[in-house]
Amino acid sequence: DIQMTQSPSSLSASVGDRVTITCRASQTISSYLNWYQQKAGKDPKLLIYAASSLHSGVPSRFSGSGSGTDFTLTISSLQPEDFATYYCQQSYSAPRTFGQGTKVEIK
Amino acid sequence: EVQLSESGGGLLQPGGSLRLSCAASGFTFSSYAMNWVRQAPGKGLEWVSGISGSGGGTNYADSVKGRFTISRDNTKNILYLQMNSLRVVDTAVYFCAKDGGPELGTHDAFDIWGQGTMVSVSS
Repeated sequence: DIQMTQSPSSLSASVGDRVTITCRASQTISSYLNWYQQKAGKDPKLLIYAASSLHSGVPSRFSGSGSGTDFTLTISSLQPEDFATYYCQQSYSAPRTFGQGTKVEIK
Repeated sequence: EVQLSESGGGLLQPGGSLRLSCAASGFTFSSYAMNWVRQAPGKGLEWVSGISGSGGGTNYADSVKGRFTISRDNTKNILYLQMNSLRVVDTAVYFCAKDGGPELGTHDAFDIWGQGTMVSVSS
């Protein structure tokens, strides 16, 4: 199975900050990398698919980049509703594994 | 509105069985593969099982292979997960998630998720 490793595991940031989360795959996955946001007690929501494509309805302050094994999710200006846990997921091969999550907390 | 709604969770003892359901609405159910993803308390997301739009193809995580069975009824727009020989480690919220296309093994993301149903296994 392909292992996905996110860093950091958690971070504290203020409203308006630029936030970057990284995700590394244990082998090359081309651009088959997705990002999800999960708020406490809620279901995950798709943010980014295919490494850099914004899912319908997702604010443009979210962006993704990368290919091969290294990927990033960037929030250009953190908003109060963005405090949540973020997961990467590879869709290169089965099983479609997830990273361990990055919790974004209020500073 | 595209919607998924899980049901069937509960509290049971190790070795027990349970069937989860996921009712779909707002899209052509048979045109999309579907998945089950679980989340143990305080932990991350773990893909459990997937099924193609036709129901002809299925796959499973090694952790549940031989114990869980995924199926679907495209006439009723319902996805199922039959869970047998349950273990304490199966305790989790179980989400159903819509795939981006009809087949397994594609490179799509999970674009719609249900709210989840809790399964607790304890002696």
